[in-house]
Amino acid sequence: DSGVTQTPKHLITATGQRVTLRCSPRSGDLSVYWYQQSLDQGLQFLIQYYNGEERAKGNILERFSAQQFPDLHSELNLSSLELGDSALYFCASSANPTGATYEQYFGPGTRLTVT
Amino acid sequence: GNSVTQMEGPVTLSEEAFLTINCTYTATGYPSLFWYVQYPGEGLQLLLKATKADDKGSNKGFEATYRKETTSFHLEKGSVQVSDSAVYFCAPEHTGGFKTIFGAGTRLFVKA
Repeated sequence: DSGVTQTPKHLITATGQRVTLRCSPRSGDLSVYWYQQSLDQGLQFLIQYYNGEERAKGNILERFSAQQFPDLHSELNLSSLELGDSALYFCASSANPTGATYEQYFGPGTRLTVT
Repeated sequence: GNSVTQMEGPVTLSEEAFLTINCTYTATGYPSLFWYVQYPGEGLQLLLKATKADDKGSNKGFEATYRKETTSFHLEKGSVQVSDSAVYFCAPEHTGGFKTIFGAGTRLFVKA
């Protein structure tokens, strides 16, 4: 158990809809990262927050947005969903704002299926 | 910017065989280097790390040595087990910014 929690575990929705994925980092970690993992197993970095502020952006679509709240949990909002958005979405947390300088702890992921 | 290239999979081995998964990177300076492992149905977890040149990271029988001259961090294990079947990701520390970069992942299948 990494200490990072993600909800829901599974999500099935239709094209055009909007969903919200939630992540709670490990106790004491200020950095939260979001990743998308497609079926071909590639891991794409989406966005990072540190103590409530956006820190880095990866290949995140404009239809996607995220935020980190004062209690440090984070939400990833996906809107106008397309079939191609079906993937595993992982959240990770780290004690350090530059991320990979210290290891990242990954949650179990949310599997999103868009039909 | 930084980038990482790792060996394409899948890699299929018999139990007790020797494993090598190649990883090379480009980076500014000398970043820390990490290998993560993802077991079926789970998130990634840190397998091992090395923070400076010539350091050897090791865990669960896996090893990787930080080779500055060849900018490589190849993962090795002398005798794999069925339980090692997973996807392995190489990840250099990102220098000069905050974006995190992972290799494409290498899937390992170990047959009994």
